[in-house]
Amino acid sequence: GAVVSQHPSRVICKSGTSVKIECRSLDFQATTMFWYRQFPKQSLMLMATSNEGSKATYEQGVEKDKFLINHASLTLSTLTVTSAHPEDSSFYICSASEMGRLNTEAFFGQGTRLTVV
Amino acid sequence: EDQVTQSPEALRLQEGESSSLNCSYTVSGLRGLFWYRQDPGKGPEFLFTLYSAGEEKEKERLKATLTKKESFLHITAPKPEDSATYLCAVALTDSWGKLQFGAGTQVVVTP
Repeated sequence: GAVVSQHPSRVICKSGTSVKIECRSLDFQATTMFWYRQFPKQSLMLMATSNEGSKATYEQGVEKDKFLINHASLTLSTLTVTSAHPEDSSFYICSASEMGRLNTEAFFGQGTRLTVV
Repeated sequence: EDQVTQSPEALRLQEGESSSLNCSYTVSGLRGLFWYRQDPGKGPEFLFTLYSAGEEKEKERLKATLTKKESFLHITAPKPEDSATYLCAVALTDSWGKLQFGAGTQVVVTP
């Protein structure tokens, strides 16, 4: 299957600082990438849809000013958690589908464990 | 409201003891149902896509089936390496990356 790489895999930051997470599609191009959040022992919740060259679409209840998404190229989307607080600590996972192919399954990155202290 | 419900929450199996996981869904317009495997601290790994009722797909010891209301993931003669959380998800639009997930079934297979 297609490869999606996420970096970093783990990050610890201080309250009030910002953290950037990268999501790359390594062997295909993706006009659309997706960002999910997962709390311990819970399932994945979609946060936002990242569209190459345009603004991200956020799910209800997700603060767009806190979770900044940039999709500058067909292989890279970034999620920046701004002014992080301990309640932002979570597992963040991105996914991507191959460009130009509808009805094709999405592949996930390995996730980023964010801990805010 | 669209819902995806998985049962049981957790399943403990002896090696070789076959079992089934359930994913029931009530959605307004199903475009596809997906099964993923997730190991601790990792992202989900794609297993199967099912499009329509009656469809079945197999991969090694896993077999997924789909009806109009639910999907089953059958694990035949499991091995310890099958231990993982199995996630069911549905796509409600033609963008299959936009998924609604169930809570998952945590499977532990003991030797």
